[in-house]
Amino acid sequence: SSELTQDPAVSVALGQTVRITCQGDSLRRYYASWYQQKPGQAPVVVMYGKNNRPSGIPDRFSGSSSGNTASLTITGAQAEDEADYYCNSRNSSGNHVVFGGGTTVTVL
Amino acid sequence: QVQLQESGPGLVKPSETLSLTCTVSGGSVSSGSYYWSWLRQPPGKGLEWIGHMYYSGSPNYNPSLESRVTISKDTSKNQFSLKLSSVTAADTAIYYCARYRENRGLIITTTIFDYWGQGTLVTVSS
Repeated sequence: SSELTQDPAVSVALGQTVRITCQGDSLRRYYASWYQQKPGQAPVVVMYGKNNRPSGIPDRFSGSSSGNTASLTITGAQAEDEADYYCNSRNSSGNHVVFGGGTTVTVL
Repeated sequence: QVQLQESGPGLVKPSETLSLTCTVSGGSVSSGSYYWSWLRQPPGKGLEWIGHMYYSGSPNYNPSLESRVTISKDTSKNQFSLKLSSVTAADTAIYYCARYRENRGLIITTTIFDYWGQGTLVTVSS
């Protein structure tokens, strides 16, 4: 089992808001980064650090962190946001890199 | 703009060694405080970190694979490589190379895989 826990799937109505969470003890010492992966494509980072969006990522994506939980929020979800989302950090000992199991976001 | 490109055989026989190379352009594998990383994704499953090599040459591996994995780099070619020995069908996956970096703050550290290769499918089958 992963040291970072994500819900397997969430759905959101078009234009509504969805929050994806990632839990793990290491998140008290490490900010999670978040990756969007669409079918047949390599993952792309959409959020890192406290709330940093790489160039080209829409501002409807935002991040937050509290205690052992990191969150990625999509405000006004679009059809193109339908994808798998993975969180990433170090493990609780800080000596290895780990990923959450991924959350499939479906836009209805 | 940093670019990474995986290369290597797409088919490996069981019990043999999987060998992949990642060629880096737009950046150097021997500078910049980056970790040059390998990850994989079995069909229909999630991402798994295999290991990485720090720019200065120190490797670090996923404990679940450590006994079979070697990551090395060739600074003259600006490449880094993955070897995974004694493969089985469970090692069938898309293999990605990526650049990883960390920014250490006073209390909390930021982590990010900022550049990825396109991935290469490796099938283990006789």
